[in-house]
Amino acid sequence: NFLLTQPHSVSESPGKTVTISCTGSSGNIANSYVQWFQQRPGSAPTTVIYEDYQRPSGVPPRFSGSIDRSSNSASLTISGLQTEDEADYYCQSYDDNNHWVFGGGTRLTVL
Amino acid sequence: EVQLVESGGVVVQPGGSLRLSCIGSGFNFDDYTMNWVRQVPGKGLEWVSLISWDGRRISYADSVKGRFTISRDNSKNSLYLQLTSLRTEDTALYYCVKGGIIGWGQGTLVTVSS
Repeated sequence: NFLLTQPHSVSESPGKTVTISCTGSSGNIANSYVQWFQQRPGSAPTTVIYEDYQRPSGVPPRFSGSIDRSSNSASLTISGLQTEDEADYYCQSYDDNNHWVFGGGTRLTVL
Repeated sequence: EVQLVESGGVVVQPGGSLRLSCIGSGFNFDDYTMNWVRQVPGKGLEWVSLISWDGRRISYADSVKGRFTISRDNSKNSLYLQLTSLRTEDTALYYCVKGGIIGWGQGTLVTVSS
């Protein structure tokens, strides 16, 4: 089974930059698109990155996505951290059957 | 603006059945694959099922295969999920999720309890 592994939690100060990783268990993560979702407490998820690095309209350029083939991983980078960025972040990609696979989620704390 | 509104979540006994519905607006519903994703409160996201724009391609997570049935009615901009043989571990918030640039509904809560 294809798995995506994320750190359980990360924390950083306002104004700083944080990167959240998402590592594939097998294969080549670059072969399928990766999406990133933000979920604030008590709310439904929203999409912050789709197709590896694309931002939906309304998502600020402080949010960026990338793929690192050498480590079989994707990353979400948030620069100029704001308190409103405090949330859970999930990566998502696809297995060989084109079924969605989610990472376990990363709790971002902005202290 | 993409809007997805789910309904049908209730409290049901183990072994019971129910049907979830989702109405989409603000986009061409019949252009997109649609999905159901669930989340146990306080836990992570779990993909449940997908259906292609024309209903010809359908897939399920192993955890629900043989018990849940996804369907859609493009004339009504509607997506459905029929849940049968429900188990306590099916208790979750069920989200209707649009493919493409992924859009999420607000979810409907299914509670399986005796």
